[in-house]
Amino acid sequence: DTGVSQDPRHKITKRGQNVTFRCDPISEHNRLYWYRQTLGQGPEFLTYFQNEAQLEKSRLLSDRFSAERPKGSFSTLEIQRTEQGDSAMYLCASSPSMGAQKKSSYNEQFFGPGTRLTVL
Amino acid sequence: AQSVTQLDSHVSVSEGTPVLLRCNYSSSYSPSLFWYVQHPNKGLQLLLKYTSAATLVKGINGFEAEFKKSETSFHLTKPSAHMSDAAEYFCVVSLNAGGTSYGKLTFGQGTILTVHP
Repeated sequence: DTGVSQDPRHKITKRGQNVTFRCDPISEHNRLYWYRQTLGQGPEFLTYFQNEAQLEKSRLLSDRFSAERPKGSFSTLEIQRTEQGDSAMYLCASSPSMGAQKKSSYNEQFFGPGTRLTVL
Repeated sequence: AQSVTQLDSHVSVSEGTPVLLRCNYSSSYSPSLFWYVQHPNKGLQLLLKYTSAATLVKGINGFEAEFKKSETSFHLTKPSAHMSDAAEYFCVVSLNAGGTSYGKLTFGQGTILTVHP
């Protein structure tokens, strides 16, 4: 399978613990996005990487959240001192570079299955 | 700034009848518009996209959407619903990547489609 993969698929943790999620994008994609989806809502943008550079962060991403993409391939999202309000589905998406995109694929993002976080 | 409003949180139809899921958008610039579908316990799948080419866009599984700039709408339709269409549908807007937009997606709240036999 050459799609976007995320690990783990489910994570249950106690309040105050740290958690880390991993995303492996489609191999030739240099753009990577993280979104958060809470129950009954659409996904909300968290952060964006172009290669290894983190170019944009949403105000939703508090100081307890950090994301990395050290070699421009896989990415990790860490939440420190988790709170019950962090319970959500965390989605990763990837997209080709602008130069690599055909016009018909412009801005199309390919999503992984998500990591569902439950904070008790 | 960009935003999306899906006008119905739930739509219920009978199998074989038409489907209409309504979406209005707001964007300061020429947007790209998408419809994504999310089946239970599955990832988001792209149904179709509008990127300033033809205003009537055809997608997978018989879905289509029409971009109407004067109405700022991008409604999703299908002539005949199938049981397998039951899912949650998201209307999505993106500023064309470039500048500071980076192509991030802004999702609507979602419309849950129920299909009755």
